[in-house]
Amino acid sequence: SAVISQKPSRDICQRGTSLTIQCQVDSQVTMMFWYRQQPGQSLTLIATANQGSEATYESGFVIDKFPISRPNLTFSTLTVSNMSPEDSSIYLCSVVSTGLNEKLFFGSGTQLSVL
Amino acid sequence: AQTVTQSQPEMSVQEAETVTLSCTYDTSENNYYLFWYKQPPSRQMILVIRQEAYKQQNATENRFSVNFQKAAKSFSLKISDSQLGDTAMYFCAFMNTGGGNKLTFGTGTQLKVEL
Repeated sequence: SAVISQKPSRDICQRGTSLTIQCQVDSQVTMMFWYRQQPGQSLTLIATANQGSEATYESGFVIDKFPISRPNLTFSTLTVSNMSPEDSSIYLCSVVSTGLNEKLFFGSGTQLSVL
Repeated sequence: AQTVTQSQPEMSVQEAETVTLSCTYDTSENNYYLFWYKQPPSRQMILVIRQEAYKQQNATENRFSVNFQKAAKSFSLKISDSQLGDTAMYFCAFMNTGGGNKLTFGTGTQLKVEL
């Protein structure tokens, strides 16, 4: 399986600010995703991070709020913009490794608290 | 759209005993994958087991096995010889073949293994 490093592991932020979360994989991966897990809830897909092009967002998520970059096959960032307390969640990066089709692996997540 | 239902919010089992977690799903697709993920307090999402819908044989990974009933759209997880380290939230997930490797998750079952 791929080794996925996600930073920061946790952060406490003020309302109105932005936070960028980084996801680094130790090998080239075919697909990268960002999920959100609200407190006590299941995981919801935010978007697919596309290498070299704009991310593909799921219903209910927009680029202005969650801009995503993927400059290469091993790295992606998710920014949570203009944060409010409702953005307090765990954000998880997920990848599909080359040669391990249809097996998704997850980073350790970023615990975000917005005051 | 696919839906995944886990009807047991919480379960407990004695150490060394066997426990079964339930999952049902709804889809009009014929080809898909089903997964069980484990999330301990560390937040890490750990892939436990994976089942391809076209395979009739139930997947097995050491102490973990599934009972896949395609006609009934049921996908239960059996944990044998439960260990304290199995204490975690367990999520059932669905992926449509050709659907861009996107996962749809159930609401989870909190499993507690007791001495």
